[in-house]
Amino acid sequence: LAKTTQPISMDSYEGQEVNITCSHNNIATNDYITWYQQFPSQGPRFIIQGYKTKVTNEVASLFIPADRKSSTLSLPRVSLSDTAVYYCLVVSGSNTGKLIFGQGTTLQVKP
Amino acid sequence: GAGVSQSPSNKVTEKGKDVELRCDPISGHTALYWYRQSLGQGLEFLIYFQGNSAPDKSGLPSDRFSAERTGGSVSTLTIQRTQQEDSAVYLCASSLGYPYGGEQYFGPGTRLTVT
Repeated sequence: LAKTTQPISMDSYEGQEVNITCSHNNIATNDYITWYQQFPSQGPRFIIQGYKTKVTNEVASLFIPADRKSSTLSLPRVSLSDTAVYYCLVVSGSNTGKLIFGQGTTLQVKP
Repeated sequence: GAGVSQSPSNKVTEKGKDVELRCDPISGHTALYWYRQSLGQGLEFLIYFQGNSAPDKSGLPSDRFSAERTGGSVSTLTIQRTQQEDSAVYLCASSLGYPYGGEQYFGPGTRLTVT
């Protein structure tokens, strides 16, 4: 499974757009890019998943360039409740689907 | 509908004792996963079930750890002769199964403390 690299921490202010970039240089053809969010004392929560170009849902957008070696999670107009750890994962489409979590990005949203 | 549930929510045990952790997945989810998260660390995969079989046990840290799943539903993770390094939050997740493995639904976890 491809290794991912993302910033350890980020700060933002309420109402701003936050972009968290993840690099996955060794991504394979049948791998997907998936993002999870985790609040303290809770299990992770699925945010969004994509293969290429752009995916948008009610929570976030995911931008994936043509070479797929990186991806950017975009959170529009963050609020204090978006303070959490965000994990970028590469999920193989041809294995058991087990998730390999890195250290994640701790996002701190300030008032 | 009901999400993934786990019990107990907290467990304190003495070193050397056995513990059983339970996971009730979302109804209809054929895939079930166990992970653990040590304090301040990321999640570590332990074992994966598809139905009642466990095709991937590669994450179990030692032979003191075992897991089973019955009726394609409830799963139990057993840790024998617990050690202090087993202290962690044990998380269970379920999904519709391959190829939907990317979207997994996690339970609240069981916090295990070995004294």
